[in-house]
Amino acid sequence: AQKITQTQPGMFVQEKEAVTLDCTYDTSDQSYGLFWYKQPSSGEMIFLIYQGSYDEQNATEGRYSLNFQKARKSANLVISASQLGDSAMYFCAMREPLRGGSTLGRLYFGRGTQLTVWP
Amino acid sequence: DSGVTQTPKHLITATGQRVTLRCSPRSGDLSVYWYQQSLDQGLQFLIQYYNGEERAKGNILERFSAQQFPDLHSELNLSSLELGDSALYFCASSIGTTDTQYFGPGTRLTVL
Repeated sequence: AQKITQTQPGMFVQEKEAVTLDCTYDTSDQSYGLFWYKQPSSGEMIFLIYQGSYDEQNATEGRYSLNFQKARKSANLVISASQLGDSAMYFCAMREPLRGGSTLGRLYFGRGTQLTVWP
Repeated sequence: DSGVTQTPKHLITATGQRVTLRCSPRSGDLSVYWYQQSLDQGLQFLIQYYNGEERAKGNILERFSAQQFPDLHSELNLSSLELGDSALYFCASSIGTTDTQYFGPGTRLTVL
């Protein structure tokens, strides 16, 4: 089974500062996808950013960027200029790898990192 | 708003009962996934449908079943409920199996 590790149960950052949330993954496959989702206290899961294993450039979406280091099997999320509304649980996930050109697509999730942004 | 809808938002029931959770995927999405989120197990994949057909099963109990209808909405049926089934159940949808999954708001099930 695929494995996602998020080693930081909780992180604290001051408003307007940048923060990095760590994620490492374990797979022997070459073609896979990595995702970050945000879960506020209200409970919904919000898609933030995606990185494909063959993408040469790190993904960026507004204030979110993904620091992808394939050799180290890490896919850290960087949030720049933190805002109070960024306080939430953040999940790293890996899509089941492509095999034979296809995938079932299910996601494997880490345990999450609770981010708290303080004024 | 992801475009994925789930009903009901909250469900409180007793042990031994049966409930049905409903999901409507985003317009155009053919893949539907069900996930369970609990404190001890985290987010776990349950089952996947693609264009009406079951494609994959994960950590889904035999007491649970699901289906996807011709209009692509999906239902997750949970029977003989136990206290440990209390969790947040998410439905997610994507266009195909390599595309980003968008999650519904979830159904919070409480079994008393």
